[in-house]
Amino acid sequence: DAGVIQSPRHEVTEMGQEVTLRCKPISGHDYLFWYRQTMMRGLELLIYFNNNVPIDDSGMPEDRFSAKMPNASFSTLKIQPSEPRDSAVYFCASSSGGTGNGYTFGSGTRLTVV
Amino acid sequence: GQQVMQIPQYQHVQEGEDFTTYCNSSTTLSNIQWYKQRPGGHPVFLIQLVKSGEVKKQKRLTFQFGEAKKNSSLHITATQTTDVGTYFCAGRNYGQNFVFGPGTRLSVLP
Repeated sequence: DAGVIQSPRHEVTEMGQEVTLRCKPISGHDYLFWYRQTMMRGLELLIYFNNNVPIDDSGMPEDRFSAKMPNASFSTLKIQPSEPRDSAVYFCASSSGGTGNGYTFGSGTRLTVV
Repeated sequence: GQQVMQIPQYQHVQEGEDFTTYCNSSTTLSNIQWYKQRPGGHPVFLIQLVKSGEVKKQKRLTFQFGEAKKNSSLHITATQTTDVGTYFCAGRNYGQNFVFGPGTRLSVLP
């Protein structure tokens, strides 16, 4: 298995632009998580899905952030419009059998908003 | 809400020395996980503890879950340069999501 695949690996964009981050979870995993990591705030859970359905989006910072999972093999996290304070590493993770199991993280997308 | 703390924030050790990081939760946990993140990398799942007082070993790494299920520790014996990275604990309340601690950054001097 190729693991959790995220794209792009790096993204540099100007303030106000729309940014879309992509994730392909491990086949067969029924849970998908989006995390944001910064030095100041550590690892923050933004949203998670179970069987493609959003379960908890209480970590999504603002209405500028949205996430979708149209099918079991693909999810997106969109920021519109982007702001410099959104600069961070965004990780996607997946797991199987419930939120009580180990998560497999993707390599992350390093987002820089200038 | 649930809070997970870790100490120390940073630890510098000489290669061959032992290392321990401690994880404390404000609430009783159903289970706890440990992850390692190498510099520039992503968190990698190491282990999960579920039972009160549970101790698990992975080669030079020893993981322990406290009797009250509110704390945990990770001990590395005879550190090597390959142990460099940030070690995160993640605690979960029954039926809720895991909350990650801030991590302990370990550097190993050769």
